[in-house]
Amino acid sequence: DIQMTQSPSSLSASVGDRVTITCRASHSISNYLNWYQQKPGKAPKVLIHTAYSLQSGVPSRFSGSGSGTDFTLTISSLQPEDFATYYCQQSYSTPLTFGGGTKVEIK
Amino acid sequence: QVQLVESGGGVVQPGRSLRLSCAASGFTFSSYGMHWVRQAPGKGLEWVAVISYDGSKKYYGDSVKGRFTISRDNSANTLYLQMNSLRTEDTAVYYCAKDGTGGPFYFDYWGQGTLVTVSS
Repeated sequence: DIQMTQSPSSLSASVGDRVTITCRASHSISNYLNWYQQKPGKAPKVLIHTAYSLQSGVPSRFSGSGSGTDFTLTISSLQPEDFATYYCQQSYSTPLTFGGGTKVEIK
Repeated sequence: QVQLVESGGGVVQPGRSLRLSCAASGFTFSSYGMHWVRQAPGKGLEWVAVISYDGSKKYYGDSVKGRFTISRDNSANTLYLQMNSLRTEDTAVYYCAKDGTGGPFYFDYWGQGTLVTVSS
């Protein structure tokens, strides 16, 4: 199974900050990496698929990069509605696996 | 618009069975793979199972293999998850999710989730 490791597990940031979350796969997954945002009590929402493709309707301040084993989600200017937990997920092979999550909190 | 509505959750004793359903609308259900993903209280996301658009292929997570069965009825636009030999560690919110249109095995729409509690 492919293990996904996210870092940090949590961070505090202010509105307007640039935020970067990283995700590392235990084996190369090409560009089969997806990012989700989840708010408390709600279902996750896809932000980025296949490493860098912005999902329709997602603001352009979200971007993804990377390939192989190392990936990054960047929020260019953090907005109040972005405080949430973020998960990466590999879609290279089953069993599909998620990172442990990164909770973005208000500083 | 795409809608996924789960049902069938509840409280069940260890060792018993439960069947979840997910009613889909707003897209051509028979054209997409469908998934179940779960989240234990206060924990992260765990993929459970996927079924291909026509039901011919099914894959499972290691923790549920041999106990859970995913199925679908394309005539009724409904996805199912039959859960047998339930364990306390199966307690979670169960989400159904649609396979993404931009590539394999990501989730572009999710239901609101249904809570399964396994407890004596």
